[in-house]
Amino acid sequence: EIVLTQSPDFQSVTPKEKVTITCRASQSIGTDLHWYQQKPDQSPKLLIKHASRSFSGAPSRFSGSGSGTDFTLTINSLEAEDAATYYCHQSSNLPWTFGQGTKVEIK
Amino acid sequence: EVQLVESGGGLVQPGESLRLSCAVSGFIFSNYWMSWVRQAPGKGLEWVATIKQDGTEKYFLDSVKGRFTISRDNAKNSLYLQMDSLRAEDTAFYYCARKYLMSSEFDYWGQGTLVTVSS
Repeated sequence: EIVLTQSPDFQSVTPKEKVTITCRASQSIGTDLHWYQQKPDQSPKLLIKHASRSFSGAPSRFSGSGSGTDFTLTINSLEAEDAATYYCHQSSNLPWTFGQGTKVEIK
Repeated sequence: EVQLVESGGGLVQPGESLRLSCAVSGFIFSNYWMSWVRQAPGKGLEWVATIKQDGTEKYFLDSVKGRFTISRDNAKNSLYLQMDSLRAEDTAFYYCARKYLMSSEFDYWGQGTLVTVSS
């Protein structure tokens, strides 16, 4: 099973600040890595697919990078509505797995 | 508009069964792989099961193999999860989600249905 480890687990950030979340895979997964945003009491929503491709409707301040085992989600100029938990997910090997999540709080 | 609506959740005792449904609209259901992903209250996401467009391939998380069955009815635009021999650790919100290819992302999710297994 491929383990995805996100860091940090929690981040408290001021609006307009830049946020960086990393996701490390226990083995190489190419670019089969995706990022989701989940707000309280809502289902997850896709932000970034295949490491760096923006999903339709995702705000342009969200971007992704990486390949192999190391990936990054960046939120440029954080807005209040970005308060959420962010998850990475690999679709390279079964069982498909998710990172443990990174909670982003607005100061 | 793509919509996925789960139903069938509830409170059951350990060892009992439950059948979840997911009704979809706004896209050609038979073109997509469909999956169930769960989330225990306050915890992270866990993939549970996936079924190919025509139902000929099915994949399951090891901990649910032999207890859960995934199926679909393309004529009814519906996905199902039959859950037998339920355990306390199966307690979670269950989401249906679609993907275009085996290696692709879950691009749309339902709102989830809560399954609680408790005596």
